[in-house]
Amino acid sequence: EVQLVQSGAEVKKPGESLKISCKIPRHTFTTYWIGWVRQTPGKGLEWMGIIFPADSDMRYSPSFQGQVAFSVDRSKSTAYLQWSSLKASDTATYYCARSGVLGMDVWGQGTTVTVSS
Amino acid sequence: EIVLTQSPGTLSLSPGERATLSCRASQSVSGNYLAWFQHKPGLAPRLLIHGASSRATGIPERFSGSGSGTDFILTISRLEPEDFAVYYCQQYGVSTYTFGQGTKLEIK
Repeated sequence: EVQLVQSGAEVKKPGESLKISCKIPRHTFTTYWIGWVRQTPGKGLEWMGIIFPADSDMRYSPSFQGQVAFSVDRSKSTAYLQWSSLKASDTATYYCARSGVLGMDVWGQGTTVTVSS
Repeated sequence: EIVLTQSPGTLSLSPGERATLSCRASQSVSGNYLAWFQHKPGLAPRLLIHGASSRATGIPERFSGSGSGTDFILTISRLEPEDFAVYYCQQYGVSTYTFGQGTKLEIK
């Protein structure tokens, strides 16, 4: 069974930086895109963008362009979602998911990020 | 960016009834790359339907998707207690994907 495993919950202060991770099976790493999705109670699911781990090609939603950064570490088969300066409005649960022609079919368990002073 | 509008916002039904959820796109969805997800609190979203009408692996036959172009439907033929959740449509036919705002399916 294919699994994406995300890093644990984070509690941060406004202005701090953060990098959360998504461990990806080797086959998925070289064959599929990895998408990131934000979930908040008020706005539901929001597609943030996708990255192709094999060559780091990436696309951002206009809503998230410049607000977050995607990256991968091929040696660790891991994808990352990063903020340089968190805001309270970044408080949410973030999911990574395998993305291909069959849609986003395998999801990580989610990482809850809380930003509060 | 393609905007997806789901209706109704909330649907109140009883177990055993039929549920019909709608998703309308602001422009035609390329290749009918339209997916439906089920989302329950504390869990990751679950892919139900891809390509507008193909059930994902392990999804019960009571879930079906239909539609093309700009109008899509998710039908749950006979509701089971575990089907009460929030449902989202998503288009993935262009370089930037989008979700609808969701339909909450609640027990009447």
